[in-house]
Amino acid sequence: DTEVTQTPKHLVMGMTNKKSLKCEQHMGHRAMYWYKQKAKKPPELMFVYSYEKLSINESVPSRFSPECPNSSLLNLHLHALQPEDSALYLCASSQGATSGPSYEQFFGPGTRLTVT
Amino acid sequence: AQSVAQPEDQVNVAEGNPLTVKCTYSVSGNPYLFWYVQYPNRGLQFLLKYITGDNLVKGSYGFEAEFNKSQTSFHLKKPSALVSDSALYFCAVSSNTGKLIFGQGTTLQVKP
Repeated sequence: DTEVTQTPKHLVMGMTNKKSLKCEQHMGHRAMYWYKQKAKKPPELMFVYSYEKLSINESVPSRFSPECPNSSLLNLHLHALQPEDSALYLCASSQGATSGPSYEQFFGPGTRLTVT
Repeated sequence: AQSVAQPEDQVNVAEGNPLTVKCTYSVSGNPYLFWYVQYPNRGLQFLLKYITGDNLVKGSYGFEAEFNKSQTSFHLKKPSALVSDSALYFCAVSSNTGKLIFGQGTTLQVKP
């Protein structure tokens, strides 16, 4: 299985809602990533988990809260978001992170988030 | 600081013609270079990478890229473009921590 899956595909939420994005991979990868992507722009790294521990937080606002329950799963908990947070949220995984600059990342299809 | 530049926002090619999407990089030390493609409303797909060795790297869907150290370039090429190659292409360099630093992206339009 060489796939990264993400649910839901689309999400519309109000500014006072709490929701979660889910990501799953079964490739045995030990690094997992969250990215935010605006239309026609490159993905912006948000968080990196390496061996289930948070290794990089790119100064992301606390209304985004990542969680890595096990080596296959990655969640992104959302609370009190702003309209400018509307974007495509991509999850990715790779064999290595801090020890593996040569490993390619495998991306999921993304969750299209709209904050109203 | 490491960086990647894609000098063209858009490249237009006729189907059947060769295509080139340009990328230049700036890194200290050995570069780890990647190309990804993104089709509309999809995630990024890995095409190919250069780590070390042969300067001509072959990847998925008939794409290849040429690493040129003296020109600090890693241009993506394909001998014969297909309409289905139309997409957004990103060049990226990997830092020592595995963080990908992306270029701004180049939209490839292949016309029939």
